[in-house]
Amino acid sequence: QKEVEQDPGPLSVPEGAIVSLNCTYSNSAFQYFMWYRQYSRKGPELLMYTYSSGNKEDGRFTAQVDKSSKYISLFIRDSQPSDSATYLCAMSVPGGTSYGKLTFGQGTILTVHP
Amino acid sequence: NAGVTQTPKFQVLKTGQSMTLQCAQDMNHEYMSWYRQDPGMGLRLIHYSVGAGITDQGEVPNGYNVSRSTTEDFPLRLLSAAPSQTSVYFCASRKDRANVLTFGAGSRLTVL
Repeated sequence: QKEVEQDPGPLSVPEGAIVSLNCTYSNSAFQYFMWYRQYSRKGPELLMYTYSSGNKEDGRFTAQVDKSSKYISLFIRDSQPSDSATYLCAMSVPGGTSYGKLTFGQGTILTVHP
Repeated sequence: NAGVTQTPKFQVLKTGQSMTLQCAQDMNHEYMSWYRQDPGMGLRLIHYSVGAGITDQGEVPNGYNVSRSTTEDFPLRLLSAAPSQTSVYFCASRKDRANVLTFGAGSRLTVL
């Protein structure tokens, strides 16, 4: 079993829809949770970053972490064609040389059509 | 400020050939790492370095070597390429004690 599971999709939605992307994980030591966005033929770029449980909002994007359920989500409101990309969840444990050793989900391919 | 620069962007090798993927960053980041990305597998950590002269293995290190002689550069060497190493390789860096990685644009490698 992989430490982080993410539905690869693909997910296709109409412009303006609310998108929900999810990851589950098995390692209870994960404390840092991130969402990266990756456009085709490009490197991943950080979209959202949260520590421990709770919600974080940034414009049209909301990240949620539920540590009791080992479940994280990314919501995209009023989705736009420019949101079409692969979304990767990533997690890490705190402490020492573990800093920066991220464990990634498989990525979800999202297409927003006009 | 170029961020993380990877070369080459594309490379085709024959089985058994060797090559080096270059990675350079100009942000004075202590931590650098190499990931490979394969369909359905996400990004997997190959090797990482927490500073010049210090390297360690990640999740999938077999078949790859690294060294870190300067803060700026972190090359990844394939000594004898195999078809299983066909992948997209990403170099990333971060400032100390932060979990935010900055990625390069990737190097797409095909081994025939």
